[in-house]
Amino acid sequence: GAVVSQHPSWVICKSGTSVKIECRSLDFQATTMFWYRQFPKQSLMLMATSNEGSKATYEQGVEKDKFLINHASLTLSTLTVTSAHPEDSSFYICSARGPNEQFFGPGTRLTVL
Amino acid sequence: QKEVEQNSGPLSVPEGAIASLNCTYSDRGSQSFFWYRQYSGKSPELIMFIYSNGDKEDGRFTAQLNKASQYVSLLIRDSQPSDSATYLCAVKNSGYSTLTFGKGTMLLVSP
Repeated sequence: GAVVSQHPSWVICKSGTSVKIECRSLDFQATTMFWYRQFPKQSLMLMATSNEGSKATYEQGVEKDKFLINHASLTLSTLTVTSAHPEDSSFYICSARGPNEQFFGPGTRLTVL
Repeated sequence: QKEVEQNSGPLSVPEGAIASLNCTYSDRGSQSFFWYRQYSGKSPELIMFIYSNGDKEDGRFTAQLNKASQYVSLLIRDSQPSDSATYLCAVKNSGYSTLTFGKGTMLLVSP
């Protein structure tokens, strides 16, 4: 299957700081990428759909000014958690849309102190 | 609100047995269905996907769809301890490229 990478794999930051997470599709061009968040023992919750060259589409209840998404190229989408707070601590996973299915990155575990 | 329902489990089976995992979905227009496996602390990995036109078998895994009942199942034959994980059912939302995930069923295969 296709390879999607995420960086960093884990990050610890202080409350009030901003954190950027990168998602790259390594062996194919992805016009559409997705950002998910997963809390412990919960399912994946779609945060937003990221389309190359256009604004992201956010799911209901997700603050677009807090979770900034940029999809500037066909292989890279970034998620910036601005002014992070402890309740933003979670497992953030991106996926890239292939012809038939979504390929997931390894995830980024964010801990906000 | 599109929903995908799964029994959270855990589903416990002995090694070598058949594990049967199920999910129901609410979006009657859905055409594509996915099963992902997720180990603790890791991201999901795709096991298989099926379309509304039929069941699918891949090695020890068989995915079945009952469209009338809006029900998808995954059978794992000859279960191995390494199959112990959480299995997520996902349904492609009709008219969109997004997926709705169930909460997952934890499978425990005992040696």
